[in-house]
Amino acid sequence: KNQVEQSPQSLIILEGKNCTLQCNYTVSPFSNLRWYKQDTGRGPVSLTIMTFSENTKSNGRYTATLDADTKQSSLHITASQLSDSASYICVVSAVKNSGYALNFGKGTSLLVTP
Amino acid sequence: KAGVTQTPRYLIKTRGQQVTLSCSPISGHRSVSWYQQTPGQGLQFLFEYFSETQRNKGNFPGRFSGRQFSNSRSEMNVSTLELGDSALYLCASSVVLASDTQYFGPGTRLTVL
Repeated sequence: KNQVEQSPQSLIILEGKNCTLQCNYTVSPFSNLRWYKQDTGRGPVSLTIMTFSENTKSNGRYTATLDADTKQSSLHITASQLSDSASYICVVSAVKNSGYALNFGKGTSLLVTP
Repeated sequence: KAGVTQTPRYLIKTRGQQVTLSCSPISGHRSVSWYQQTPGQGLQFLFEYFSETQRNKGNFPGRFSGRQFSNSRSEMNVSTLELGDSALYLCASSVVLASDTQYFGPGTRLTVL
């Protein structure tokens, strides 16, 4: 079972609307959690990176939250634009003896329509 | 500052062949990581190099290997290609640690026939 589960798998919203993407994880011990945006045909771009002590971080219209107790994170997109259409990937880093381990969600595919 | 560059962008090979992909990180970045991305499995971590040394490794068979040069440029090699190796191979660089903010290249699309 994947240690990082994202929901929904896909989402369609109207331009201008808000939306929230979810990321639940079982990874332990936790190091940090990142959200990436990946446009079709391009490499992922980092949106936010959060450590254990951070529970909110914003990047423009993107706001990520982290609840380390419940092991849940969300990415909220405000006033969506057509350019927000992309795949959003949650990555959780865990500490291990030899350094770290990266655990990837399979992403949420977002389509913003006019 | 130029971003991460990967060459070639597209590649078609046949089963049993080998392939070498190249990645040039952002100037000043010393950590280079490689990832495989497929529709079914999503992003999967291959390995990370720092100062010419492999610092971390994912769960891939030994057919997948890499190296890093003194100028931080990196190559990955896949030998004895299988159909399942068809994927987008992404390279990412960061200043020191892969756990820092990573900057991804556009990827190399490998198709194995």
